[in-house]
Amino acid sequence: SAVISQKPSRDICQRGTSLTIQCQVDSQVTMMFWYRQQPGQSLTLIATANQGSEATYESGFVIDKFPISRPNLTFSTLTVSNMSPEDSSIYLCSVRTAADLTIYFGEGSWLTVV
Amino acid sequence: KQEVTQIPAALSVPEGENLVLNCSFTDSAIYNLQWFRQDPGKGLTSLLLIQSSQREQTSGRLNASLDKSSGRSTLYIAASQPGDSATYLCAVGGDAGKSTFGDGTTLTVKP
Repeated sequence: SAVISQKPSRDICQRGTSLTIQCQVDSQVTMMFWYRQQPGQSLTLIATANQGSEATYESGFVIDKFPISRPNLTFSTLTVSNMSPEDSSIYLCSVRTAADLTIYFGEGSWLTVV
Repeated sequence: KQEVTQIPAALSVPEGENLVLNCSFTDSAIYNLQWFRQDPGKGLTSLLLIQSSQREQTSGRLNASLDKSSGRSTLYIAASQPGDSATYLCAVGGDAGKSTFGDGTTLTVKP
């Protein structure tokens, strides 16, 4: 199994500012992902965080808006840049383990932009 | 592109009833399928994982089945309890490790 810690758990941010979300896993994992869940909707994949190289972004998401880092096998960050109220969402870090191929999620970072 | 649909979107049942949640997907070339539970204000909790070579998985009162050829999975909950009230999400996993989620079924179990 894998235990994922995300920080911050919640934040209220001003329009135009940026916020960095951290994801720490208690074991080395092969794959790390960042998802967004907008109010009342399901999860949408933002990008795959690749260790030591640029993240792979899904259609509709760009590096300038959502820069991602993954310096090692257990840690990743997602920055939401130049925030607007439309960025108010839950941002979830997810990992996939090699051992049992199960997907695990963090508790999420609840972001409100005012 | 994989598309995942969950029916019904919402379900309300009296306590003690057995129920079935449905998940359908358009591309049968899947790696695995996972069911999650999400409580209000919380993240996702994994319930059951079915590999593409498996037909079903069981955990306590939960049983999940997978029929790849028809693009369907069901989550069966036996003897439902008020504590089962939550949103249930189906996630279909592809080879690249990414998953496509359905919109979820919101279950309410009334005492």
